[in-house]
Amino acid sequence: TQLLEQSPQFLSIQEGENLTVYCNSSSVFSSLQWYRQEPGEGPVLLVTVVTGGEVKKLKRLTFQFGDARKDSSLHITAAQPGDTGLYLCAGVGTSYGKLTFGQGTILTVHP
Amino acid sequence: EAGVAQSPRYKIIEKRQSVAFWCNPISGHATLYWYQQILGQGPKLLIQFQNNGVVDDSQLPKDRFSAERLKGVDSTLKIQPAKLEDSAVYLCASSLAAGVGTDTQYFGPGTRLTVL
Repeated sequence: TQLLEQSPQFLSIQEGENLTVYCNSSSVFSSLQWYRQEPGEGPVLLVTVVTGGEVKKLKRLTFQFGDARKDSSLHITAAQPGDTGLYLCAGVGTSYGKLTFGQGTILTVHP
Repeated sequence: EAGVAQSPRYKIIEKRQSVAFWCNPISGHATLYWYQQILGQGPKLLIQFQNNGVVDDSQLPKDRFSAERLKGVDSTLKIQPAKLEDSAVYLCASSLAAGVGTDTQYFGPGTRLTVL
């Protein structure tokens, strides 16, 4: 069974601070995705990283895929209250693109 | 473009009762997924359909859970009988194709089930 571990589970910071969320696995995935989920809604895809060592930027968010394609990180620069939510990483398997989710990181950004 | 629709949004039942959830995927999407998300955890895939065939139901508790996707469009997930540990949000998602690693899954808002 492929497992993904996210850390930290909870993050409470002030507006303007930087933060990093980590996603680690002992298994190799064909690609890795990051989602954001707000209360009462389903997860929304932020990014997909495919190549080992790949770095993608989405405004203030930077996503990195490890060289061995087993780990990833999400870095947010100058966090804003609108960034508050549950951040989930998901490994994409080779069988029909099956997603295995981490347990999530609850981020709260205080004004 | 309309998103994935789910109903009901909330359901409260007593243990040993039955419950059914409905999902209408995005038009034209071949693949439909049902996930269970327990509070404090990430979603766990229960079943994946490609058109109206099942491609993965390895994590579906088949003694009490069942799902069908008639005519390759709408889908229903049923629990009979429900247990306390089934309390969770049930998410439906759809994607254009299956087996494509970078294919985007679009999630519905989910049904929050509480079993008393």
